[in-house]
Amino acid sequence: NAGVTQTPKFQVLKTGQSMTLQCAQDMNHNSMYWYRQDPGMGLRLIYYSASEGTTDKGEVPNGYNVSRLNKREFSLRLESAAPSQTSVYFCASSGGAEGYTFGSGTRLTVV
Amino acid sequence: QKEVEQDPGPLSVPEGAIVSLNCTYSNSAFQYFMWYRQYSRKGPELLMYTYSSGNKEDGRFTAQVDKSSKYISLFIRDSQPSDSATYLCAMSGPSNYQLIWGAGTKLIIKP
Repeated sequence: NAGVTQTPKFQVLKTGQSMTLQCAQDMNHNSMYWYRQDPGMGLRLIYYSASEGTTDKGEVPNGYNVSRLNKREFSLRLESAAPSQTSVYFCASSGGAEGYTFGSGTRLTVV
Repeated sequence: QKEVEQDPGPLSVPEGAIVSLNCTYSNSAFQYFMWYRQYSRKGPELLMYTYSSGNKEDGRFTAQVDKSSKYISLFIRDSQPSDSATYLCAMSGPSNYQLIWGAGTKLIIKP
């Protein structure tokens, strides 16, 4: 019973490098989300996908792109990493009104 | 002003005390109310879910919603050191299930 799986768990990037964070869910949920969490800032929505084939910007989309590859997978790409993108990234999925299921997070440091 | 307000704490109480955590909100359309618990270096996990007004009890935890005051609460009875975590409130409307989050309250239970 995996739920939401995120990879990698940890990553260190140099400024200007690119990377893709992977997320997969096995609960047949329609909606998927990417958040970042910084001390004192709470959860901030980066992008979301209400259903397969659709993506929309959240509160803090600048510097990120996403791909909803299929119903199970939703990836987040940093094209040119900046130190301001140092954060913990969480992927979540939802099947409706009963709330979200979160992955265990990716700790990203950009130096 | 944020849609959902939550005191970030930290809130420190002795083991065995009754804990009260609260959120206020401004959008009267919210119908679904949730509490998530987040341990350090982990993803948030759904703790309590309530639809519309009223109380819901699950073991030592009670969630309360007062829609007339736009105020929700989470009570923890006989608090344990293992309850030390950050507690986030979240809520959504009747047709759009995208959650709006509080900032989270850090709770510390002292042995």
